[in-house]
Amino acid sequence: SQQGEEDPQALSIQEGENATMNCSYKTSINNLQWYRQNSGRGLVHLILIRSNEREKHSGRLRVTLDTSKKSSSLLITASRAADTASYFCATDDSNYKLTFGKGTLLTVNP
Amino acid sequence: GAVVSQHPSRVICKSGTSVKIECRSLDFQATTMFWYRQFPKQSLMLMATSNEGSKATYEQGVEKDKFLINHASLTLSTLTVTSAHPEDSSFYICSARDWAGAQETQYFGPGTRLLVL
Repeated sequence: SQQGEEDPQALSIQEGENATMNCSYKTSINNLQWYRQNSGRGLVHLILIRSNEREKHSGRLRVTLDTSKKSSSLLITASRAADTASYFCATDDSNYKLTFGKGTLLTVNP
Repeated sequence: GAVVSQHPSRVICKSGTSVKIECRSLDFQATTMFWYRQFPKQSLMLMATSNEGSKATYEQGVEKDKFLINHASLTLSTLTVTSAHPEDSSFYICSARDWAGAQETQYFGPGTRLLVL
């Protein structure tokens, strides 16, 4: 079954605005990770949040995790055109296997 | 940071031929590597877990005889797509866990785009 479903599937914003992407999952997790993928490229690890953490920051990124609702959100503040990419959440089970969501395609218009 | 490379970056082959894709961890040792497949505008689907010195573990629905995985050393895993067909055309991505580092973090290669004619 699909783990890690993101919404929205696509998001278009103007430079300088904030972008929020959400992720829901179904089973218990060790941690949840967010990745970025530019078109036709590999994945870049953005941030990892463990199951006992509720919020984490890294630069312009802010991730929250609500294990009771089995959901996470990724906030990118003061977006830039270079942030245009697909963003995936991935859940990590106890065997370190990642299950990816369908992703959110973010377009930041200059 | 940890770097994972893949070779080739893209390959075109004729139907029925076999294609080998290499995944290398360049500055760390990886006892475990993962192979994913990604179809256009879709997410990554885990195909198999490659363990150094032992047989790979395949996900449900992935044919082990079609997608041969060899993890011969702590820095190299290979995926061979045997008797490739057009439906095997996809983006194949590997990742590796740093044996000595944070176990949760996987480092991804740049991917290999396979086109089967």
